[in-house]
Amino acid sequence: GQNIDQPTEMTATEGAIVQINCTYQTSGFNGLFWYQQHAGEAPTFLSYNVLDGLEEKGRFSSFLSRSKGYSYLLLKELQMKDSASYLCAVRAPSGGYQKVTFGTGTKLQVIP
Amino acid sequence: NAGVMQNPRHLVRRRGQEARLRCSPMKGHSHVYWYRQLPEEGLKFMVYLQKENIIDESGMPKERFSAEFPKEGPSILRIQQVVRGDSAAYFCASSPGGTSGGKTQYFGPGTRLLVL
Repeated sequence: GQNIDQPTEMTATEGAIVQINCTYQTSGFNGLFWYQQHAGEAPTFLSYNVLDGLEEKGRFSSFLSRSKGYSYLLLKELQMKDSASYLCAVRAPSGGYQKVTFGTGTKLQVIP
Repeated sequence: NAGVMQNPRHLVRRRGQEARLRCSPMKGHSHVYWYRQLPEEGLKFMVYLQKENIIDESGMPKERFSAEFPKEGPSILRIQQVVRGDSAAYFCASSPGGTSGGKTQYFGPGTRLLVL
C-alpha cells in the first residue's frame, strides 16, 4: 500500500520562508506532486519531481530524495495569499497502472 | 483552452434522492478521476476512468455509487438514495493519455453536495 505523511498545520510569518515536509512509503515510485488548495477551491498543480534534487519555480521550490522517501516544498517571501493547504501526492504502480495517492495536506497559515 | 468543467457547482438533495454530478475533462484529456473531500480533510480517491472503461473503482462504495465516462459527453458520478453522510465536495480531475494512468492531474472547481 501507499503511506504519505505531512504535518497537519503550520504557521509562518509574512515575508519569511517555510518548508513543508512530506515523507512517503510506497511500493514503487514514479514521481511526486505538490498541489495548492485554497479553502473552498480546487487543488492547483504546483510541481512534479521524478528525479532527486531541487526544482525551483519562482518563490516555490520542491525537493525530492527518492532514497529517503522524502520531499519538501519551500515557499520563500511568504505572502498572505499563500495561506492554503498544500497537498503532497505520490505516483506509484497500483492495480496495473500508475496511481496518484494524495496525502491529507498541510494547512499553512501566514500571519502578518 | 478551457479547463476541467464540473456542474452543478452546488447541489442540494433530500435524503433518498439521486445526485448526478458531471465532469467535462480538459480538451485532449482522456483520463478522468473522481475524488471526495470532507471539510478539513484530504482528497479521497474514488474512481479512475478512461473513455468507456472503468480502470480503478477501488475507492468507490459498492452500493449506491456509480460512475461512467461515455464515448461522447461528460463523465457522470451518480449517487443513488443519498444520505447525509454523502455531503461533501466532489472533485473531478483529468489528465492526458499516454503513459499508464496519465501524469499531472488538473482539477475542476468541484461540486458541493449537501444532503438535507
